[in-house]
Amino acid sequence: SQTIHQWPATLVQPVGSPLSLECTVEGTSNPNLYWYRQAAGRGLQLLFYSVGIGQISSEVPQNLSASRPQDRQFILSSKKLLLSDSGFYLCAWEQGLNSPLHFGNGTRLTVT
Amino acid sequence: AQKVTQAQTEISVVEKEDVTLDCVYETRDTTYYLFWYKQPPSGELVFLIRRNSFDEQNEISGRYSWNFQKSTSSFNFTITASQVVDSAVYFCALSFPGGSYIPTFGRGTSLIVHP
Repeated sequence: SQTIHQWPATLVQPVGSPLSLECTVEGTSNPNLYWYRQAAGRGLQLLFYSVGIGQISSEVPQNLSASRPQDRQFILSSKKLLLSDSGFYLCAWEQGLNSPLHFGNGTRLTVT
Repeated sequence: AQKVTQAQTEISVVEKEDVTLDCVYETRDTTYYLFWYKQPPSGELVFLIRRNSFDEQNEISGRYSWNFQKSTSSFNFTITASQVVDSAVYFCALSFPGGSYIPTFGRGTSLIVHP
């Protein structure tokens, strides 16, 4: 069966510090991968998506970046965090377009 | 623009009441897909249902049912005899070819079921 792992679950970082959130998927190959952010207003904002290794599409210009070094690994990074980067970050995968998204447990990031 | 509107920000009911969560979508594409997801307090979103634009049959799964009406561009979700465990944020989503099938989510409806 397929599983998705996302870590850490919670993170408190000072402004200006770097960020690295990792997401891995098991039990499938060549998934489409997504990073979403959920702010206090509850809406899901798409940050990045990837249809293959090294292929990253960005939806929102910001100080975040994403990388996909391996087929089932998706990393969200920042060189310098801003207060506005606080939120709940969710990784998700799908097996082909129009398939349901399967989400990780999320990372709650607080930038202080 | 393609978008999803969930006008109800929060709904509060008492256990055993029926409740309907509204979802209205906009798209110029004739082929598209609609989804509902549940986000319990733990945070992880859980897939509930997918419906494509050519299948207007309503669906029932236990206490859950979905009413898809293309004429009104709505895909509403009804929970019958609600339970406390149904308390969650529910998201409606749309994917369509014009958006590369990247899902667009509504802002969610928070459902609170009181015992």
